Amino acid sequence: EPEVTQTPSHQVTQMGQEVILRCVPISNHLYFYWYRQILGQKVEFLVSFYNNEISEKSEIFDDQFSVERPDGSNFTLKIRSTKLEDSAMYFCASSGGTPATNEKLFFGSGTQLSVL
Amino acid sequence: DAKTTQPPSMDCAEGRAANLPCNHSTISGNEYVYWYRQIHSQGPQYIIHGLKNNETNEMASLIITEDRKSSTLILPHATLRDTAVYYCIVRAFSGGYNKLIFGAGTRLAVHP
Repeated sequence: EPEVTQTPSHQVTQMGQEVILRCVPISNHLYFYWYRQILGQKVEFLVSFYNNEISEKSEIFDDQFSVERPDGSNFTLKIRSTKLEDSAMYFCASSGGTPATNEKLFFGSGTQLSVL
Repeated sequence: DAKTTQPPSMDCAEGRAANLPCNHSTISGNEYVYWYRQIHSQGPQYIIHGLKNNETNEMASLIITEDRKSSTLILPHATLRDTAVYYCIVRAFSGGYNKLIFGAGTRLAVHP
């Protein structure tokens, strides 16, 4: 079964550094998402992306965050200057493309970001 | 999107049916009921969804009451691998992107 792939699985960075989290969504999907989950808390929506534009973003997704689909396969989340409170598991998801998968989000296994 | 209420935790014996309830009394006519689960710290996994009718797939069954104000996810023969947090999410979908908002869910523990 096709799956969403995220790299790296773990990322450690110093506060103030830039990080890029990478995702390869399912190949025929059209809609892409980033979520995050701080340890012990809920899964939180960050942003959705379609046709090379942000469709919707949450309050968490401030100017420090950006997303990009640099080529036909990758989808990235950049955090410009990391803060301690950015430490979380970040999940990429994708959906759409066929009637059978339109409504279903398929999630990757996540990147655990630790900001020191 | 309609608010959902789920019990914080449940447990179930292995091999028995697990029945996970969800209340969504403010659901609108065009809102679907989605169920996802999260095993340990993995990414959420789609289980099933429905609008009005009961639905069944290889993973589970979804029973929606006639007034649509509540639903039950049924795992017919729970295994230890079904131990997870189960999320009930209500959202209208008419094509396009499908932003899902996750609540606290129900932590299901399946024991031997």
